[in-house]
Amino acid sequence: DTAVSQTPKYLVTQMGNDKSIKCEQNLGHDTMYWYKQDSKKFLKIMFSYNNKELIINETVPNRFSPKSPDKAHLNLHINSLELGDSAVYFCASSQPGGLTDTQYFGPGTRLTVL
Amino acid sequence: EDQVTQSPEALRLQEGESSSLNCSYTVSGLRGLFWYRQDPGKGPEFLFTLYSAGEEKEKERLKATLTKKESFLHITAPKPEDSATYLCAVQRGSYIPTFGRGTSLIVHP
Repeated sequence: DTAVSQTPKYLVTQMGNDKSIKCEQNLGHDTMYWYKQDSKKFLKIMFSYNNKELIINETVPNRFSPKSPDKAHLNLHINSLELGDSAVYFCASSQPGGLTDTQYFGPGTRLTVL
Repeated sequence: EDQVTQSPEALRLQEGESSSLNCSYTVSGLRGLFWYRQDPGKGPEFLFTLYSAGEEKEKERLKATLTKKESFLHITAPKPEDSATYLCAVQRGSYIPTFGRGTSLIVHP
């Protein structure tokens, strides 16, 4: 069973469009995340969310918004896509309250904006 | 602000040639240090968590160690299938872990 899954795997779209990426985890975790990985492999946190709190990286444009229909899902909506949004986006989850917040990652969504 | 620096950026080894990857960190009150492996086109895969200086963990050909300033990922007699990018991350308190930029390892047969 896939622990953290994302759809689609690849997303090619035009500038100005609005798109969504879906994420689901079956680990029973309370916290989910979205990361952006640039061409140099740097993982940059965008959002952290549990059923109580949304933490937003202040550098993320407000064109990006996470939406969580339930604890197992955290979708990423992007409005008015720009060329610079092209990257690989990873969803992750963790269970807070343990020794550390070990994160488990999805397979990624490669977004290409033309 | 937490800082994580990984070195080298890239490493090429011959099969069987042991080496180490370094993760230097600056964090006040380390809660844990993580190592992940990332294969091309895939998400990071969790390898280890280290909690305190002096701790060591092993998995197959990999051994992770931790001091108060850095962590090493030792790779003994690597094989081509060990080729990947290795990511280090640190966590302070309840904050979200901070990742380094990774070391890209290529092992030639």
